[in-house]
Amino acid sequence: SQQGEEDPQALSIQEGENATMNCSYKTSINNLQWYRQNSGRGLVHLILIRSNEREKHSGRLRVTLDTSKKSSSLLITASRAADTASYFCATAAMDSSYKLIFGSGTRLLVRP
Amino acid sequence: SQTIHQWPATLVQPVGSPLSLECTVEGTSNPNLYWYRQAAGRGLQLLFYSVGIGQISSEVPQNLSASRPQDRQFILSSKKLLLSDSGFYLCAWSVRTSGGVGQYFGPGTRLLVL
Repeated sequence: SQQGEEDPQALSIQEGENATMNCSYKTSINNLQWYRQNSGRGLVHLILIRSNEREKHSGRLRVTLDTSKKSSSLLITASRAADTASYFCATAAMDSSYKLIFGSGTRLLVRP
Repeated sequence: SQTIHQWPATLVQPVGSPLSLECTVEGTSNPNLYWYRQAAGRGLQLLFYSVGIGQISSEVPQNLSASRPQDRQFILSSKKLLLSDSGFYLCAWSVRTSGGVGQYFGPGTRLLVL
């Protein structure tokens, strides 16, 4: 079943601009994670934010988490053409399986 | 360092034929292992996960099965493939910690059933 839902489904921006993607989920979570997927490739783990954290940074990435609204956002600052990819949020179960439920993703196109 | 291997990269199989996809992990012990399927342009659907040798949990009813004969080996199988089994299959692992660890994915196998 779908847990995370990303918004927007697709985003096209100019190089140098910031890109913001949002994710909503339905149930209680252990943590929320963001992944990147280049076309036809495996997923790359970008950043993990725990349920007791509100904001986290990693290089040009900034993730926020609002557990009261069951939502998260991923901000990519000063985007580059190489950031073109699909981005997925995933929520981790509260149990020890650490299984993830993925959203449907946001396709980001950064125009040079 | 930890690495994860999947093969083959691409597979074309006729309807009704069997399937065996293998995933192996190096550089870690006792990982949780996962099989996902991704339809074109969609998110990932969790198919199976395993927390130990011989322990398999199925997330969705389907035509596939999974096995974990060794600690770092995870196999996805089918006795008879259906057209609807076409997709991109991804294996992933994570190590149990108190804080939760992001999953790390293999390169995937693209399966086309004709």
